[in-house]
Amino acid sequence: GAGVSQTPSNKVTEKGKYVELRCDPISGHTALYWYRQSLGQGPEFLIYFQGTGAADDSGLPNDRFFAVRPEGSVSTLKIQRTERGDSAVYLCASSLGLTSGVGETQYFGPGTRLLVL
Amino acid sequence: AQKVTQAQTEISVVEKEDVTLDCVYETRDTTYYLFWYKQPPSGELVFLIRRNSFDEQNEISGRYSWNFQKSTSSFNFTITASQVVDSAVYFCALTLDQTGANNLFFGTGTRLTVIP
Repeated sequence: GAGVSQTPSNKVTEKGKYVELRCDPISGHTALYWYRQSLGQGPEFLIYFQGTGAADDSGLPNDRFFAVRPEGSVSTLKIQRTERGDSAVYLCASSLGLTSGVGETQYFGPGTRLLVL
Repeated sequence: AQKVTQAQTEISVVEKEDVTLDCVYETRDTTYYLFWYKQPPSGELVFLIRRNSFDEQNEISGRYSWNFQKSTSSFNFTITASQVVDSAVYFCALTLDQTGANNLFFGTGTRLTVIP
């Protein structure tokens, strides 16, 4: 497929556990974004990568959240010591990155639905 | 600070009716971009339209049309002759023309139900 893919589609974990969520952007897209969507809300920004580096991580709620993109393609969002409040849909998006992502259309993946029990 | 307001939480229409989804935004920047996305029950956000702040021309794409008015900071979306497949949550979003600050600010969405 040519779109953004995310795995797993669903993840159930227990409070206090560690989880990793994976995003595979559209081929050739250098800009990658993570958002979190709670029930009944719009997506909220978490972090943005241009290439391998995190250009803006101002949306990460606390130091339990961390994301990497070591080779400038696939990204992993990591959540340590999960809490029930972390339950949400985690969305990944990518854009071309030609203008460092400024004003570009972001294309979204299907999301990972995380449930922390 | 940036903000997007979608005051209509839920709208129900009967098939073939026209419906307008409202979007009001706030920003102090003079250059910005506005978007509409559709989120069907499957959950994936589908891109519909992108508009920059210097282009106030209305746009029509099939049954969809968008009315951008800077004077009222609005970017409304109209579906003509609605169909059941239009049932979804629709999000309006804003991003700034700033390197390193190009995240999308989303509204809370409007849930549209088209009744057959």
